[in-house]
Amino acid sequence: SQQGEEDPQALSIQEGENATMNCSYKTSINNLQWYRQNSGRGLVHLILIRSNEREKHSGRLRVTLDTSKKSSSLLITASRAADTASYFCATGSLQGAQKLVFGQGTRLTINP
Amino acid sequence: GEEVAQTPKHLVRGEGQKAKLYCAPIKGHSYVFWYQQVLKNEFKFLISFQNENVFDETGMPKERFSAKCLPNSPCSLEIQATKLEDSAVYFCASSQSGRELFFGSGTQLSVL
Repeated sequence: SQQGEEDPQALSIQEGENATMNCSYKTSINNLQWYRQNSGRGLVHLILIRSNEREKHSGRLRVTLDTSKKSSSLLITASRAADTASYFCATGSLQGAQKLVFGQGTRLTINP
Repeated sequence: GEEVAQTPKHLVRGEGQKAKLYCAPIKGHSYVFWYQQVLKNEFKFLISFQNENVFDETGMPKERFSAKCLPNSPCSLEIQATKLEDSAVYFCASSQSGRELFFGSGTQLSVL
């Protein structure tokens, strides 16, 4: 069964604006990851946040994790046309090698 | 190599025929994962390997699906007697740590 549920399913914004995507999950996790998928391609790993972390940054990406609410958000600041893609959250329940459980994804469109 | 290489990119099979997909992980990565993506959203975990050993096979439909990772050979995923519902994109991913996954571009399987 799917662990993560993402919200919204689709998001369309203007270039330069910020985009926020949310992910909720159901069971205890060791870490939560965000991936990007461009059309017709495989997933690209963006960022990993551990269960004992609350916020993490990488370039224009900011991820938050609230384990009490079992939710995470991905913020992309100053969006660019190249950010147009589908974004998936994935949860891992183990410290080591693990199967990731993916959400349904958010389709992000950046309009020039 | 520096990328996960999946072959073929596209595979068309008649219902009941066999399908075999291949994956060459990134050199030095000891973990290999197979995922199935249906309808461009949900990613379903199938199986993972640590080197040539099955690590987690909880997602495999065992009646018709099998997979191997043998030394000095690409990993493979084989589907015997394909069904219409097997139509999907099959992604292979490799990992050094087992946590952050690096995905290939996928094999689009169409069962007619």
